[in-house]
Amino acid sequence: RKEVEQDPGPFNVPEGATVAFNCTYSNSASQSFFWYRQDCRKEPKLLMSVYSSGNEDGRFTAQLNRASQYISLLIRDSKLSDSATYLCAAYSGGGADGLTFGKGTHLIIQP
Amino acid sequence: GAGVSQSPRYKVAKRGQDVALRCDPISGHVSLFWYQQALGQGPEFLTYFQNEAQLDKSGLPSDRFFAERPEGSVSTLKIQRTQQEDSAVYLCASSLAREFYEQYFGPGTRLTVT
Repeated sequence: RKEVEQDPGPFNVPEGATVAFNCTYSNSASQSFFWYRQDCRKEPKLLMSVYSSGNEDGRFTAQLNRASQYISLLIRDSKLSDSATYLCAAYSGGGADGLTFGKGTHLIIQP
Repeated sequence: GAGVSQSPRYKVAKRGQDVALRCDPISGHVSLFWYQQALGQGPEFLTYFQNEAQLDKSGLPSDRFFAERPEGSVSTLKIQRTQQEDSAVYLCASSLAREFYEQYFGPGTRLTVT
């Protein structure tokens, strides 16, 4: 079982709608979490960091549920430019220095 | 300011050739990471440097993969005797310090082994 799992989608959502997707992690030692956005053939770009219960930045809200070991990303008032793959990543520390990524969730915003 | 840069952006190698991929991290960033991303997958961790010290190489898939950062800034990932399964995008990321901060990625090098 992969340490970080995401529904690959695609999620097809009309412009202006609210969309949410989850990411589950299996390593209970994971300390911090990140959402990255990746456009086709581009590098991952950091969208949000989640260190405690959650974080909000404009239309984007990330929440962490340690008891159930998942983080979520909510996008309100979605725009065509939000179409991308959203990667969830976990950092465990303790000598495991790299991020562990999920496979990503593909989001398509439709006009 | 300038972000992470990588070169070359694209590399085609014949099976058995050696390749060297370069990463210039964000100025002042102590930590540098290499990841491998196959098509349709998330990035997979390869190795980590703090300044010039390679502190974690647990993700390197074989002894054909070697990374260095001799002066604590630019890093090179070398793959010897490339195989077709090495075809992937190789991403470099840097972060401000060992105490974990956000990682910022470069554009990657797309390696195709024929």
